[in-house]
Amino acid sequence: EAGVTQFPSHSVIEKGQTVTLRCDPISGHDNLYWYRRVMGKEIKFLLHFVKESKQDESGMPNNRFLAERTGGTYSTLKVQPAELEDSGVYFCASSQVIQGRRFFGPGTRLTVL
Amino acid sequence: DQQVKQNSPSLSVQEGRISILNCDYTNSMFDYFLWYKKYPAEGPTFLISISSIKDKNEDGRFTVFLNKSAKHLSLHIVPSQPGDSAVYFCAASAGTSGTYKYIFGTGTRLKVLA
Repeated sequence: EAGVTQFPSHSVIEKGQTVTLRCDPISGHDNLYWYRRVMGKEIKFLLHFVKESKQDESGMPNNRFLAERTGGTYSTLKVQPAELEDSGVYFCASSQVIQGRRFFGPGTRLTVL
Repeated sequence: DQQVKQNSPSLSVQEGRISILNCDYTNSMFDYFLWYKKYPAEGPTFLISISSIKDKNEDGRFTVFLNKSAKHLSLHIVPSQPGDSAVYFCAASAGTSGTYKYIFGTGTRLKVLA
């Protein structure tokens, strides 16, 4: 069974540009989560989808971040416009049920110059 | 304010000896705790968990201990192997919140020396 996949693995952009990260959860997992880790810090929760609905977006830093999960399958996280402090590794995770263990993808390393 | 703290950024242990990784939490509503292991360029992978109704859970070489009164948990790896070298994250969640949101610590980098 394929795990959680994320694309791209790395992205380097200039401040002010737009970047879109993609996550494909494990097939059949209704719950999808986005997390971010800034270097040396904790893995911080951003938001949680149940199917296509946002269950909890309390961790989203500001309105420059937009997450979507159309059709309840893959999800995208767009940062527009990107700022220097947005640099970090963005992880996606999925679980079959909300109480279930999270399975993480390999992450997208975003560098904003 | 961090609710889950891992105060040791790094730890070095000789192969074959015990590794002890510590984690403290502040929120008494947390009722489920997990340890994830992360290798470079990979996502965190689940290692072991414990519910607040228990004080110990064991899985092979890995044992997690929970001290609710001290709001402290620890991960013991015995014996440590070079392949255990990774960053270990402690996480906690509160089922009563309804969201089961995972709150992670900052991680401890374990290096097992051959």
